[in-house]
Amino acid sequence: GENVEQHPSTLSVQEGDSAVIKCTYSDSASNYFPWYKQELGKGPQLIIDIRSNVGEKKDQRIAVTLNKTAKHFSLHITETQPEDSAVYFCAASSETSGSRLTFGEGTQLTVNP
Amino acid sequence: NAGVMQNPRHLVRRRGQEARLRCSPMKGHSHVYWYRQLPEEGLKFMVYLQKENIIDESGMPKERFSAEFPKEGPSILRIQQVVRGDSAAYFCASSAGIGNQPQHFGDGTRLSIL
Repeated sequence: GENVEQHPSTLSVQEGDSAVIKCTYSDSASNYFPWYKQELGKGPQLIIDIRSNVGEKKDQRIAVTLNKTAKHFSLHITETQPEDSAVYFCAASSETSGSRLTFGEGTQLTVNP
Repeated sequence: NAGVMQNPRHLVRRRGQEARLRCSPMKGHSHVYWYRQLPEEGLKFMVYLQKENIIDESGMPKERFSAEFPKEGPSILRIQQVVRGDSAAYFCASSAGIGNQPQHFGDGTRLSIL
């Protein structure tokens, strides 16, 4: 089955700096890669996703890149703000696996004012 | 609020009791997924259902756990004869269809076993 690894597990940055979170996956059939933000006591919130036919996608301060050959994808947050502080999860799925998501272990991002 | 609704938000049970967790998908969504999250860990897939059908239950423990998504009403995750190890946050997600449609999550049910 699919295995997703995520690094780093914790990340602390100064407000205004960029933050990068990286994930690798094992199943070459995976073709959909969402990123979720989870705040304390809440459910995961979808913030951006990318499909395997695209190498990069941007939405304001958030961007995701995908390298299919190397089987890794990354989340980039620019101009970080204290409200970006949360746990971020990457995930992967394939249509052959019924679209179930396999999650990374999460990254606790802290943005210091 | 047209989001995924889960209830109860918190549930306390004693060992041996039954726990019932409910999930109403987003309006227009007919696909429901259940995930479990242990403290300080990522979410783990349990089961995928469409109306009146279990599509994939490969992540669900073989005993004591069951799920349903009836024609009318919410999806139910049932845990019988709960044990301490069942303590976790259980999240439901819904999507509009097959083909890697985005999954939107509810705020979960936090289950505590005394």
